[in-house]
Parts: sequence; structure tokens; C-alpha cells
Amino acid sequence: QTVVTQEPSLTVSPGGTVTLTCASATGAVTSGHHPTWFQQKPGQAPRTLIYNTNNKHSWTPARFSGSLLGDKAALTLSGVQPEDEAEYSCLLYYSGTWVFGGGTKLTVL
Amino acid sequence: QVQFVQSGAEVREPGASVKVSCKASGNTFPAPGLHWVRQAPGQRLEWMGWIDVTNANTKYSQNFQGRLAIIRDTSASTAYMELSSLTSEDTAVYYCAREQGGGLWDYWGQGSLVSVSS
Repeated sequence: QTVVTQEPSLTVSPGGTVTLTCASATGAVTSGHHPTWFQQKPGQAPRTLIYNTNNKHSWTPARFSGSLLGDKAALTLSGVQPEDEAEYSCLLYYSGTWVFGGGTKLTVL
Repeated sequence: QVQFVQSGAEVREPGASVKVSCKASGNTFPAPGLHWVRQAPGQRLEWMGWIDVTNANTKYSQNFQGRLAIIRDTSASTAYMELSSLTSEDTAVYYCAREQGGGLWDYWGQGSLVSVSS
């Protein structure tokens, strides 16, 4: 099974900016991988933040944005809030199947 | 507002099977795609499989080939995930999540804890 890699942990100060990345072992991540980003807080179900690289849901705060950065998918948080402390997981599509990254634990400190 | 309500926690012995349900609110099945994802304690999310609610076509992760079945009952607006030959490694929270097609993931169920223990 294809491996999808994320930073295990990142720390950011309130009000700061941080970028999380999602890499594919098969090569560059493209829009064809339908990069999707989820936020998960302890004891809660995941919440979809970004789909198809950079599309937001109505509930996605404006400070979250998705993109392709080099050969990876990226999730950028600008003006981080304390409530953004959570686990963030990316998801990529591979010819009919989907693979999650290992998740990034984001600490706001 | 779309909601998916999943069945409650289950405890099974090794070798048994478990069936988890995922019911769409409002007695409608606002799919077309419904995925099943699990998360073992302290582990990453793991994609298990998918069903096209409109025609019951399925696609499963190779990790579960032969012991996973996903079905739907459109009259009940409910999808089911059945996993057989359980081992302790199947202890996890199981989620359903909707995909509207073309990679548009949106709503998730609340999760169902399945514990496998002798």
C-alpha cells in the first residue's frame, strides 16, 4: 500500500502561520490525488476542512487554506487560534482507493 | 443539515464478526458515495472501503480483502459495514463518511467503537 507522509508534530504560536504538508511515496502529489484535509480533536470524529486541494466547506474557517506546494499537498493556517490545536490528517486518492497520511499533531503554544 | 448516526459500541471475541450501521438523517440517502474509515487507538485513520449508494458498487482496501463487506439499504437510508474474522488488531473506532463524488468529502458519522477481546 502506498505510503502518505506528514510531519508528526508542529508547534505554532497564537496568531502565527504554519504550513502542514502531505507527501506521496509514489511521487509528486497532484490535483488528481484529490488532496483532502481533516481536523480531529480528542474524542471527536474527524471534520473535513479542505477537499480537492483547495476547496473549503461552509464550516471551514477562512484562516485555513489548501494548496499544492512543490511536490506535496499543503494546508496553511494563517492567524492560528488556540482552538486550532488538533490532529490534522491528509487523504490522497490512488486509482479507486484512498490512503490517509499519518497525521500531524499541531500544538498552539 | 446532513447527519449520519452510527450504531453503538460493540464487543466481540476473536474470530467473530461485527456489523456497524450508518443511518442518514431525514430518511434520505444523500450520497452517492459512503466510505468507511477506522482508527485504532493512537493510530492513523485508515480507509477501509466505499460503496456507491446508487448502484451498490463497492471498492475495498486490499488490507481487508475477503473479510469486509459494505452494503446499503436505500429504503432505510442506511449503510452497513461488516467485518469478519476479527482479531484484537481490529479494535478501533469505525466511522462512515460521505463523499459526493469527485473527491468531495464532507460529513462524518460520530463513530462506533468495536472492541475485540477474549
